[in-house]
This record gives sequence, C-alpha cells and structure tokens, in this order.
Amino acid sequence: SQTIHQWPATLVQPVGSPLSLECTVEGTSNPNLYWYRQAAGRGLQLLFYSVGIGQISSEVPQNLSASRPQDRQFILSSKKLLLSDSGFYLCAWSLTGAKNSPLHFGNGTRLTVT
Amino acid sequence: AQSVTQPDIHITVSEGASLELRCNYSYGATPYLFWYVQSPGQGLQLLLKYFSGDTLVQGIKGFEAEFKRSQSSFNLRKPSVHWSDAAEYFCAVGSNSGYALNFGKGTSLLVTP
Repeated sequence: SQTIHQWPATLVQPVGSPLSLECTVEGTSNPNLYWYRQAAGRGLQLLFYSVGIGQISSEVPQNLSASRPQDRQFILSSKKLLLSDSGFYLCAWSLTGAKNSPLHFGNGTRLTVT
Repeated sequence: AQSVTQPDIHITVSEGASLELRCNYSYGATPYLFWYVQSPGQGLQLLLKYFSGDTLVQGIKGFEAEFKRSQSSFNLRKPSVHWSDAAEYFCAVGSNSGYALNFGKGTSLLVTP
C-alpha cells in the first residue's frame, strides 16, 4: 500500500533563516505531488504541484520554492523565511495520469517563524 | 475557476444527533467533489468522493453525501454523531488544471455529551 512521509512534524525558525521541508511517497510510481499551506480559518491554499521529476507548477507568487529531485520526493524550500510563512504545511500525492483523483495527505509540518 | 463554499464555520451537535454539513460548489459542468476530515494537528483523510452516477455517495465512518445539481450542493450527512467525529471537515472540488483540488475553508464540528 502507498504511504506518505513528511518531516519534520514541527519546526521553529527565526525570520531570515532558510527552510527545507521534505516529503516522500512509497508504494507508487510517478505520483502527482502537492504542497498546500493551511492557515487558521483560511482553508488550504495550493502552493505547488508536480506531475513529474523536475516539473513544478506554482500557484501563487511567494517566498517559497519547490523541487522534485526524485520521482517520489518533493521538497519545499525558502532562502529567507518571513513571519507570514508560518502555518501548517501539507504534502499530498495522487495517482499519475488521473485528473481530479483524490489527494492523499501526509501528517503535516507545523512551521512557526519567530 | 471551480470553487466550494462552506457556509458554516462552526457546528455543534449533541452525541447521537444527526449531522449535516453544507457545501456549495461553483462549476458549470459536473464537478468532481470530495469531503475530507482533519483531526487536530493531522493531515486530511478522504471521507468520500463524487465523480458521476448515483448522487448519494457512501463514505467511511458512516458518512454519506448527496450531490444536488439543482442546488449546486454536496452536503455531508451522518445519522448519529459520535464524540470521535469532532474534527474539521473540508469540502473540495477538482480544479481547472485537473490535478490539484480547491478546498473550502472548513467547518469545525464540536460534539457535546
């Protein structure tokens, strides 16, 4: 069966520091991968999605970037964190080639920028 | 763009009572619709989905949802709520890109004894 791992679970970083959040999927090949951010009372905001290695689509302009160095690895990064980057970050995957298929989420990373 | 609206930010129900969480979608054709549940500090778990066919969809944990095109709604229901159902519930719709989902802002469910 497929599993998704996301780490770290919690992170406290000072403003201006770099960020790297990692997500890996097991049990499936060439999944579609996603990064969402959840802010209190604002639902889930799609940040990036990827349909293949090296293919990244960005949904909103921001201080963050994403990379997919391997088939089942998705990384969210920032060179310099802002206070507004605080939030709950969720990685998800869906089946390759299947549009509008369900997303399967990791357990999230709680990021606090101080 | 496809979007969903969840009119209720908070809902409180007594344990054993019935539950209905509202979701309205905005989309011209038949949408792909989903309901997810999120426990505190956790990721989202898929409860059920609707793509086509029977408009009454059964999901996990005793939940069901009904697609009503005339009302542009996809409300989630459960006949008898358990204390463990207390969580955040999100309605979602397939996006223009065909890959990611667009989520509502969620409804927080509180279950009282």
